[in-house]
Amino acid sequence: AQRVTQPEKLLSVFKGAPVELKCNYSYSGSPELFWYVQYSRQRLQLLLRHISRESIKGFTADLNKGETSFHLKKPFAQEEDSAMYYCALMGVGNQFYFGTGTSLTVIP
Amino acid sequence: EPEVTQTPSHQVTQMGQEVILRCVPISNHLYFYWYRQILGQKVEFLVSFYNNEISEKSEIFDDQFSVERPDGSNFTLKIRSTKLEDSAMYFCASRTGTRSTGELFFGEGSRLTVL
Repeated sequence: AQRVTQPEKLLSVFKGAPVELKCNYSYSGSPELFWYVQYSRQRLQLLLRHISRESIKGFTADLNKGETSFHLKKPFAQEEDSAMYYCALMGVGNQFYFGTGTSLTVIP
Repeated sequence: EPEVTQTPSHQVTQMGQEVILRCVPISNHLYFYWYRQILGQKVEFLVSFYNNEISEKSEIFDDQFSVERPDGSNFTLKIRSTKLEDSAMYFCASRTGTRSTGELFFGEGSRLTVL
C-alpha cells in the first residue's frame, strides 16, 4: 500500500540554522515524490520534485530508495521559510498521497 | 500564469443543506481532484476524476458526495446533506496528463462551515 510518513508535526529552528524535514514512503513501484508548501493563508504549491533534482529557495531533497526517504533540507533557514510542508507520493492511477505535514517555524 | 480557481471562498450552511463547491481547473489539464483539510489536520484525498468519470475515491467520499464536470470547464463537488464534520477547507487540484510533469496545481480552497 502507498503511504507517506512525516514523523514531525512541528519543527522549530533558529534563523540561519540548518533544517531537515523528514519524509518516508512506502511504495512497491518506482516512486515519484514531491514536496508541497503551504504558506500562511495561501494555496498549496509545489516546492520541488525528485525527478527534476533541482534546488528551489535553497531547499533540496534526495530520494534514498534504500531508506525509502525523501527528506527536505536547507542549510540556512530563513524566516520566510515558515510554512506547512507536505511530502507527497504519486502512485498508481496518478493518485497523490500526502503526508500529514510538518509545520516549520523559523525563529528570528 | 494559469491558475485553478475556486468559488465560493467561504460558505456557511446549516446542517442537512446541500452545498456545491465549484472549481475551474487549468484549461489543458486532464486530471482533476478534490481534497479536504479539516482545521489543524492533514490534507485528505477525496476523489480523482479523469475522462469524465471518477477514477478513484477515498472512504470519505461516501454517497453524500458527488462530482460533476457539467460543461467542460467547471468541476463541481456536491455534498447532498451536510454534516457538522464536513466543515473543512476543500481544495480542488488539476494536472496535465503527462506523468513526468505530475505537478498538482491547487486552487485557493473553499472554506465550508456547517452550523
